[in-house]
Amino acid sequence: QQQVKQSPQSLIVQKGGISIINCAYENTAFDYFPWYQQFPGKGPALLIAIRPDVSEKKEGRFTISFNKSAKQFSLHIMDSQPGDSATYFCATLNQAGTALIFGKGTTLSVSS
Amino acid sequence: DSGVTQTPKHLITATGQRVTLRCSPRSGDLSVYWYQQSLDQGLQFLIQYYNGEERAKGNILERFSAQQFPDLHSELNLSSLELGDSALYFCASAGLAAGQETQYFGPGTRLLVL
Repeated sequence: QQQVKQSPQSLIVQKGGISIINCAYENTAFDYFPWYQQFPGKGPALLIAIRPDVSEKKEGRFTISFNKSAKQFSLHIMDSQPGDSATYFCATLNQAGTALIFGKGTTLSVSS
Repeated sequence: DSGVTQTPKHLITATGQRVTLRCSPRSGDLSVYWYQQSLDQGLQFLIQYYNGEERAKGNILERFSAQQFPDLHSELNLSSLELGDSALYFCASAGLAAGQETQYFGPGTRLLVL
């Protein structure tokens, strides 16, 4: 069964620091790698996504880096803020391209 | 606010019972996905409907079924409920963003089976 391995499971970062979350995927027929952010009591919300015609995509303080040969991609949050405290999920599309396969999630806590 | 609505927000029921969860997609979205989120299994894809037709199935139990109606709202039916069915159930609808189909999640229904 297709899997996405996400690490770390939890992360504590000081305010202003850099948060890094990593994901490794198995074979995928579709080059689409989104990251979702979920606050307690809410549904996941798309944060940023990359299609690997580029190796990096930046939106504000959030950057996705992609390494196709290693089948890995990561999320970097620069200047982490307490408001970034949430659970982050990476995902890929399943082989049929019909559904998202999610990593287990990383709970980020940014201390002030 | 994603534009996807789900009702009810919370549901408490007993083992063996049957419940129905409802989802209204964003205006214009034809696809509806159902996911189950639990602490041990994470976010698991259950089933997808597109314009009223079942399109893909994931890890959906035989006790669970879904449908999408002509007005595009969808219902997920869970029957013969077990304690292990307690979870968050999310509906997502999909639309195009920057040329890529993007899934937008609703706020979820929290199901507790006692």
